[in-house]
Amino acid sequence: SQQGEEDPQALSIQEGENATMNCSYKTSINNLQWYRQNSGRGLVHLILIRSNEREKHSGRLRVTLDTSKKSSSLLITASRAADTASYFCATDARGGFKTIFGAGTRLFVKA
Amino acid sequence: DGGITQSPKYLFRKEGQNVTLSCEQNLNHDAMYWYRQDPGQGLRLIYYSQIVNDFQKGDIAEGYSVSREKKESFPLTVTSAQKNPTAFYLCASSTGRSTNEKLFFGSGTQLSVL
Repeated sequence: SQQGEEDPQALSIQEGENATMNCSYKTSINNLQWYRQNSGRGLVHLILIRSNEREKHSGRLRVTLDTSKKSSSLLITASRAADTASYFCATDARGGFKTIFGAGTRLFVKA
Repeated sequence: DGGITQSPKYLFRKEGQNVTLSCEQNLNHDAMYWYRQDPGQGLRLIYYSQIVNDFQKGDIAEGYSVSREKKESFPLTVTSAQKNPTAFYLCASSTGRSTNEKLFFGSGTQLSVL
């Protein structure tokens, strides 16, 4: 089944640096979402970008979407230790009801 | 407080035993979902329900069963047919008005085999 694939699998940075995570998918989508998961907890919705949008901002988060390349990126600016978590992209398939998650990027921000 | 509640947080299953994971939401959402997460992996869809008294299999439904008798409740039973049940189980809900809409997640149940 269609799935988003995040890259890199793991990322370790210093506090204050920017973190960039990428997601690629296989088929046309209606929209793409990014979620965050702290260890042993449920997922928390971060941002949704529609297929006709190219960029979206929310606080320190910036998401881009390139439908021609079937890819999206999540940028976290001025990272904090509290940003340490796993980040997942989630996609749909046009006409399909299911939300499908990638394997995630594990971000570690060192204080 | 509106939200989605999963219980128990930890559950242990003996071989040959069926166990049921609870998921309750008070968000008045039509759609509910069950996902399985293995260590270091993404989420895989087990079952989903778009409306009361109706549900569909996801990608890994074998060895699991669900019911949706009430709008606010979507319990998942892990049957003895599921040979590798150890995983983190996540329940989610959404309004059900569109595809790939924002999901609200519970805090998860960790199931382990004794």
